[in-house]
Amino acid sequence: DGGITQSPKYLFRKEGQNVTLSCEQNLNHDAMYWYRQDPGQGLRLIYYSQIVNDFQKGDIAEGYSVSREKKESFPLTVTSAQKNPTAFYLCASTGRMLNEKLFFGSGTQLSVL
Amino acid sequence: ELKVEQNPLFLSMQEGKNYTIYCNYSTTSDRLYWYRQDPGKSLESLFVLLSNGAVKQEGRLMASLDTKARLSTLHITAAVHDLSATYFCAVVPYGGSQGNLIFGKGTKLSVKP
Repeated sequence: DGGITQSPKYLFRKEGQNVTLSCEQNLNHDAMYWYRQDPGQGLRLIYYSQIVNDFQKGDIAEGYSVSREKKESFPLTVTSAQKNPTAFYLCASTGRMLNEKLFFGSGTQLSVL
Repeated sequence: ELKVEQNPLFLSMQEGKNYTIYCNYSTTSDRLYWYRQDPGKSLESLFVLLSNGAVKQEGRLMASLDTKARLSTLHITAAVHDLSATYFCAVVPYGGSQGNLIFGKGTKLSVKP
């Protein structure tokens, strides 16, 4: 089955630690996105990539980093510079057509120990 | 800066009743999306609206778009308990990439017997 796989489902971060969230898709989509959701809020865009080896900052990129070495994979690193990392993180992908939907992964809940 | 406002933010309905959720946005956009989210889960795409006057229906949900008024509505007909969820509208700024969505804060719908 085609889809987007995020792992882990739950992740705990110690102070000063970097953690990496995985996102893999087998939909052959060019574009991939990372969003952050805080309780009771809508989603906010962290980073996005429209092609391999290229990515752009979204609205809240500070304290995060990404890479796009393969079309299928778009990992997100939450660095120690992100002082308030507790949130639900969603990865998404979409194709090139204007009317294509954005497909979301099942999410990773990140909490601080 | 594009802003998206939904109202109401909380909605408690009785089964069998009709209601409408409103989504206003502040600047020109050529794409509007509606998503559903169950607690602790990912987002499920409901509708993609691409042009003024667009209307889409699936089951008890109907979405419409008025680009001149910068308004979209999600109408619920004869609500049932299974529709209980949080509904988000999201807008792509005009000329933006289709994953660069600006989300509303969501409408939490609770349908009671």
